Amino acid sequence: GENVEQHPSTLSVQEGDSAVIKCTYSDSASNYFPWYKQELGKGPQLIIDIRSNVGEKKDQRIAVTLNKTAKHFSLHITETQPEDSAVYFCAATATNAGKSTFGDGTTLTVKP
Amino acid sequence: DSGVTQTPKHLITATGQRVTLRCSPRSGDLSVYWYQQSLDQGLQFLIQYYNGEERAKGNILERFSAQQFPDLHSELNLSSLELGDSALYFCASSPRLVSDEQFFGPGTRLTVL
Repeated sequence: GENVEQHPSTLSVQEGDSAVIKCTYSDSASNYFPWYKQELGKGPQLIIDIRSNVGEKKDQRIAVTLNKTAKHFSLHITETQPEDSAVYFCAATATNAGKSTFGDGTTLTVKP
Repeated sequence: DSGVTQTPKHLITATGQRVTLRCSPRSGDLSVYWYQQSLDQGLQFLIQYYNGEERAKGNILERFSAQQFPDLHSELNLSSLELGDSALYFCASSPRLVSDEQFFGPGTRLTVL
């Protein structure tokens, strides 16, 4: 089955700096790669996603890149703010199989 | 607010017992997914239902079962509970069969004593 590895497990940055979280996947059938943000006491919330026919996608301060050949994708957050502090999860999905495999999460702390 | 509701919010029970967790998907969503999140761990996919039928299965124990009713709400039944079953259980929904964007509920925290 699919295996998703996410790094780093914890990340601490100063407010205004950039943060990068990386994930690798194993199943070449995976074609949808969402990123979720989970704040304390809440369920995960989709923040950005990318499909396998696209190499990069950007939404304001957040961007995701995908390298299908290398089977890895990354989340980039620029100009970080304290409210970006949360746990971030990547996931790899083979949409025809109905399963999403999540990474173990990255705890991001943005220091004011 | 994702539009997905889960009840109860918290559940405390004893080993060997049986509990039922309930999920109501977003209006119009036909797919429901169940996930388990143990302490300091990621999300483990348990099972997916689409329009009342089981569509995909993950690492769901035989002691666990789920169903989706005609009104599309879903229930996750956990029986013969063990200490290790203590976790957050999330339900998510999506509009279609294929698992693209999923909308997560607030979760049910289960504590087994």
